[in-house]
Amino acid sequence: GAVVSQHPSWVICKSGTSVKIECRSLDFQATTMFWYRQFPKQSLMLMATSNEGSKATYEQGVEKDKFLINHASLTLSTLTVTSAHPEDSSFYICSDAREGEQFFGPGTRLTVL
Amino acid sequence: QQQVKQSPQSLIVQKGGISIINCAYENTAFDYFPWYQQFPGKGPALLIAIRPDVSEKKEGRFTISFNKSAKQFSLHIMDSQPGDSATYFCAAKRPQGSYKLIFGSGTRLLVRP
Repeated sequence: GAVVSQHPSWVICKSGTSVKIECRSLDFQATTMFWYRQFPKQSLMLMATSNEGSKATYEQGVEKDKFLINHASLTLSTLTVTSAHPEDSSFYICSDAREGEQFFGPGTRLTVL
Repeated sequence: QQQVKQSPQSLIVQKGGISIINCAYENTAFDYFPWYQQFPGKGPALLIAIRPDVSEKKEGRFTISFNKSAKQFSLHIMDSQPGDSATYFCAAKRPQGSYKLIFGSGTRLLVRP
């Protein structure tokens, strides 16, 4: 069964609003989780590494003030897209790191109108 | 040096045929090479993975062939089925405690009935 869950599975919001996406690691205490963005017909692009109890590490070119990541517990990481714009519309996927591998969540489809 | 090059971009195979997807890398520090399968609107799922100390790994109809000297690895899907139609991503991971994956660009496989 699934080892990583995401909520919501899809969300539609108006431009300028903020959206929070939750990523839960099931049956595992994940000190490290990852957030990816995937545009249609493209590969996964790593946005940031979420570290439990400390600041996230962002990849080059990813605005940390726009994509707020919080990893307050060993089973939950959240990604908040602040002041969302249509160009932020994408498929957001999280993963956790366990036993040398990454396990991915089912993804969240964000559409910004 | 951080890239993983994947080919072909798309592949059409008849049911029962063999699907072959290739990946090449430059960084010899990579020590783990997973393949992921992704269906539309879903997160990637780990399919099979290999470490560079072996040349081949087989799990059911899926086989990874690894050529360390050529810095290439490939996924073979034997007896391809319409249910295998999905996008496949190869990836590579650096050692030393990092879980970060470098993804290939993906291959869209269509298996015709």
